[in-house]
Amino acid sequence: KAGVTQTPRYLIKTRGQQVTLSCSPISGHRSVSWYQQTPGQGLQFLFEYFSETQRNKGNFPGRFSGRQFSNSRSEMNVSTLELGDSALYLCASSLGTVNNEQFFGPGTRLTVL
Amino acid sequence: QKEVEQDPGPLSVPEGAIVSLNCTYSNSAFQYFMWYRQYSRKGPELLMYTYSSGNKEDGRFTAQVDKSSKYISLFIRDSQPSDSATYLCAMRNTGGFKTIFGAGTRLFVKA
Repeated sequence: KAGVTQTPRYLIKTRGQQVTLSCSPISGHRSVSWYQQTPGQGLQFLFEYFSETQRNKGNFPGRFSGRQFSNSRSEMNVSTLELGDSALYLCASSLGTVNNEQFFGPGTRLTVL
Repeated sequence: QKEVEQDPGPLSVPEGAIVSLNCTYSNSAFQYFMWYRQYSRKGPELLMYTYSSGNKEDGRFTAQVDKSSKYISLFIRDSQPSDSATYLCAMRNTGGFKTIFGAGTRLFVKA
């Protein structure tokens, strides 16, 4: 069974630009969650999508947005990039009920210059 | 105060040692408790998953949850250099779908 895949694996952008990251969940998984990981703040929850609906949201500014498609693939978008957005962005998929395990992808390393 | 507290380490032990990793939490609604292992430049890998209080064992790994003390532990027996990684505790309540992570403990196992 294929795991969670994320593309691209690495990105370099400049301040003010926008970026779109993609996540393909494990086959059959309907929930996709996004996290930002930085050395200072650790793993922080961005949002979670289930059946194309945002079900939960973390405390990030509106520049961070996401969506989920009917095949459960998900994208997240960051607009007007800031230097502090440099991080590893991880997505995790699960079947979608509260007691299901989450499985993480390898992440997208975003560097903002 | 953070909802989940975890000592970032680093923790350095000799090969073969028993490793104890711990997290404390403040939210009594947490019911699902996880431990993830993350190697450098990789995504977190689920190691252990427990519901409510009690112990769970899987090979060299044992997870313990003490809800009365709001304290969870991961024990690694016969530690190996390949266990060198960052270990993240995580927890979730029954009413939500948001997982809260600890800061992660960096573990080094020396051969």
